Amino acid sequence: DAGVTQSPTHLIKTRGQQVTLRCSPKSGHDTVSWYQQALGQGPQFIFQYYEEEERQRGNFPDRFSGHQFPNYSSELNVNALLLGDSALYLCASRLLGDGYYEQYFGPGTRLTVT
Amino acid sequence: GIQVEQSPPDLILQEGANSTLRCNFSDSVNNLQWFHQNPWGQLINLFYIPSGTKQNGRLSATTVATERYSLLYISSSQTTDSGVYFCAVGSANAGGTSYGKLTFGQGTILTVHP
Repeated sequence: DAGVTQSPTHLIKTRGQQVTLRCSPKSGHDTVSWYQQALGQGPQFIFQYYEEEERQRGNFPDRFSGHQFPNYSSELNVNALLLGDSALYLCASRLLGDGYYEQYFGPGTRLTVT
Repeated sequence: GIQVEQSPPDLILQEGANSTLRCNFSDSVNNLQWFHQNPWGQLINLFYIPSGTKQNGRLSATTVATERYSLLYISSSQTTDSGVYFCAVGSANAGGTSYGKLTFGQGTILTVHP
């Protein structure tokens, strides 16, 4: 049973650049959420995707955008990178509609903006 | 939005000691999860416990939904228990659908000395 996978593991970008992070949900799951975790903080919700549409969004600017593909995998895109975007980015998945809300997280992508 | 508070923020134990971590939340929830974050950033699922009591080896958890708190018990602690423990909660949106937004507490940093 494949768990949530994310790529790449680490990434270093320069301020102003754009970055794309990728996530494949746990086998059988159809809903993907993205979180940003700054150093020493709890993860903060960015947005979630179901049926290839953004369904709910946290308090993040439009520089953060995403996509979900027909196979349920997802991408997180961040434009015009700022130093403050340096963080661990986590992807989580679940199966919608089964009345069971447990989510599973991937290992994360650590983004460093210089 | 829903607020989540964890206590204590830091906990230092000798190996073999018992401990209790607390999570208070401000509204009704349909999801409550306890996670252990390892040094590489992976969030490991400990319990999915929106209500009731569960046990898994040396760990157990209790959620009293009507009083809006959850407790995580660690017995006979080991050095491998060290790390950050997060409580995260989820609730349905105004339309009654829960796509999966989790709100995390700030975490409890547990250090177990040999």
